[in-house]
Amino acid sequence: DAKTTQPTSMDCAEGRAANLPCNHSTISGNEYVYWYRQIHSQGPQYIIHGLKNNETNEMASLIITEDRKSSTLILPHATLRDTAVYYCIVRLNAGGTSYGKLTFGQGTILTVHP
Amino acid sequence: EAQVTQNPRYLITVTGKKLTVTCSQNMNHEYMSWYRQDPGLGLRQIYYSMNVEVTDKGDVPEGYKVSRKEKRNFPLILESPSPNQTSLYFCASSPPFEDTQYFGPGTRLTVL
Repeated sequence: DAKTTQPTSMDCAEGRAANLPCNHSTISGNEYVYWYRQIHSQGPQYIIHGLKNNETNEMASLIITEDRKSSTLILPHATLRDTAVYYCIVRLNAGGTSYGKLTFGQGTILTVHP
Repeated sequence: EAQVTQNPRYLITVTGKKLTVTCSQNMNHEYMSWYRQDPGLGLRQIYYSMNVEVTDKGDVPEGYKVSRKEKRNFPLILESPSPNQTSLYFCASSPPFEDTQYFGPGTRLTVL
């Protein structure tokens, strides 16, 4: 799986958009970008994933650059409950010997302030 | 409600006393996995199962056993727990050909 680089921490005001960047310059053509988050000591929670097109769901939007070397997770209206560690993971979607084994890096600690 | 459940949520035990942490999912997922999380080390995979009766080692399998006799259940067994197995454990499941993994709430294990 390609390596990812994320800022260690970020702050955001409640109600504002939180934009979390991720660099994955060695991503290969068939690798997806996944985002998970972990609220303190709870189980990680899947947020969104994409291959090359921008994606949106009820939780967030994922913007992937045209060259796919970086992406941004956007929480459009951050709330205090969005305070968590956010993990960007790049991997094949299925198959192969690494199927199912998510490798969580250090992630970005997002703190949403009132 | 679609979910992954784990029991117990908290457990304090002593060295050498066999224990089992149960994991169950109600989403009919083929794939299930166990992770442990330790400060500074992130989540590390212990064992995983691609389907019933199919299990394989992850990155840190030593000291653990698993079984997958039914699709919905994937218990983690510590035959002789040791203090270095004190950790936060997560079970996860996912449908086939996806890596959208659903995690349980976690089991905090302390081995004295």
